[in-house]
Amino acid sequence: EVQLVESGGGLVQPGGSLRLSCAASGFTFSSYSMNWVRQAPGKGLEWVSYISSSSRTIYYADSVKGRFTISRDNAKNSLYLQMNSLRAEDTAVYFCAREGESSRYFDYWGQGTLVTVSS
Amino acid sequence: SYELTQPPSVSVSPGQTASITCSGDKLGDKHACWYQQKPGQSPVLVIFQDIYQAGKRPSGIPERFSGSNSGNTATLTISGTQAMDEADYYCQAWDSSTARVVFGGGTKLTVL
Repeated sequence: EVQLVESGGGLVQPGGSLRLSCAASGFTFSSYSMNWVRQAPGKGLEWVSYISSSSRTIYYADSVKGRFTISRDNAKNSLYLQMNSLRAEDTAVYFCAREGESSRYFDYWGQGTLVTVSS
Repeated sequence: SYELTQPPSVSVSPGQTASITCSGDKLGDKHACWYQQKPGQSPVLVIFQDIYQAGKRPSGIPERFSGSNSGNTATLTISGTQAMDEADYYCQAWDSSTARVVFGGGTKLTVL
């Protein structure tokens, strides 16, 4: 059974940093591209970042480019999101999502971890 | 930047057919997919498209869910809508020109 479990969320002050993790199991993690998607309270889904299976290709949404860094450790079956210079508008539930084999859709999602940026 | 537009809400009576649209420039040339999200839960992929076929359903998704994508519009159709289908639905596509994943704003489906 495919499982994605996020952790690392919490309350952080504006300008602060946080590192999210996503532990993957039930599939060959090193064979799949992964993404982070967020959802602000009461709002829609917003894509944050993409990383290919080998980490060779990385993309970011304009709203986080230069502040967030996506990475992965295939030996540990883990995906990460380093978030720096956090702003109030980064407050959201952050989901990790596995990308499908044949196109850019997300076939499995984690349960999400809440990040709250507030003083 | 590329945008996908969905109606904020759609209502349907139980047993009837619900159609939710998603509009974007030349969306039919891209691979569109749909997610269902119920309150407090993670999104679930209900329809996806790959290089071989549009309107594919992942394992476990009921046959009453179908999808199409042509021109500037992708459509999610739910036939014989049930109360359990009440949820928010999001379309999503990949904009290769900007290397960005794009979500529609979401549609709240009410079954009443």
